[in-house]
Amino acid sequence: DTGVSQDPRHKITKRGQNVTFRCDPISEHNRLYWYRQTLGQGPEFLTYFQNEAQLEKSRLLSDRFSAERPKGSFSTLEIQRTEQGDSAMYLCASSPWSGRVIDEQYFGPGTRLTVT
Amino acid sequence: AQRVTQPEKLLSVFKGAPVELKCNYSYSGSPELFWYVQYSRQRLQLLLRHISRESIKGFTADLNKGETSFHLKKPFAQEEDSAMYYCALSGGTSYGKLTFGQGTILTVHP
Repeated sequence: DTGVSQDPRHKITKRGQNVTFRCDPISEHNRLYWYRQTLGQGPEFLTYFQNEAQLEKSRLLSDRFSAERPKGSFSTLEIQRTEQGDSAMYLCASSPWSGRVIDEQYFGPGTRLTVT
Repeated sequence: AQRVTQPEKLLSVFKGAPVELKCNYSYSGSPELFWYVQYSRQRLQLLLRHISRESIKGFTADLNKGETSFHLKKPFAQEEDSAMYYCALSGGTSYGKLTFGQGTILTVHP
């Protein structure tokens, strides 16, 4: 297991197009997180899953954004009708969940989205 | 609301000098505090967490609830410590979700 992987690593799209990103977590991890990071800022939480259930969504996640995690394995993040303000690094992280303590989140390399 | 503030965007020190990266937080309950680090061309990774009370790579951080701070310290900086450092918080009903500060770029000069 080489850790959390994300695909693609880079995506350039035109405004108005739809894009989809994929995240493959560490196999035994049942929690999966999506964050967005813009230039000069720390990562901002978007949403997370415990197994296949989406437990929380940030207000940053407008109705143009949707995330899924079918069967509790990989996850996809789709952005519809992209806008220039969506340009950012999209980070995925996974963690085990013991139910008692907050476990370390392991981050992927990120997908850099550029909307032209 | 949860908020993390890292007042310094850039911090430069010379090798062997002490270093302190500041982190202040705003949270009404009992938070979990973390320091994450991103070295050049590497992914974000956990450096340390306050509940572990460990020293990792010579770094320590003490949670001061009175001052709502979680500053990261190292007595003798090394060139390999040059990286981006993020302070992060988790707690309450959003247990597990991390709220990050803006980050501090640490540069250690030879």
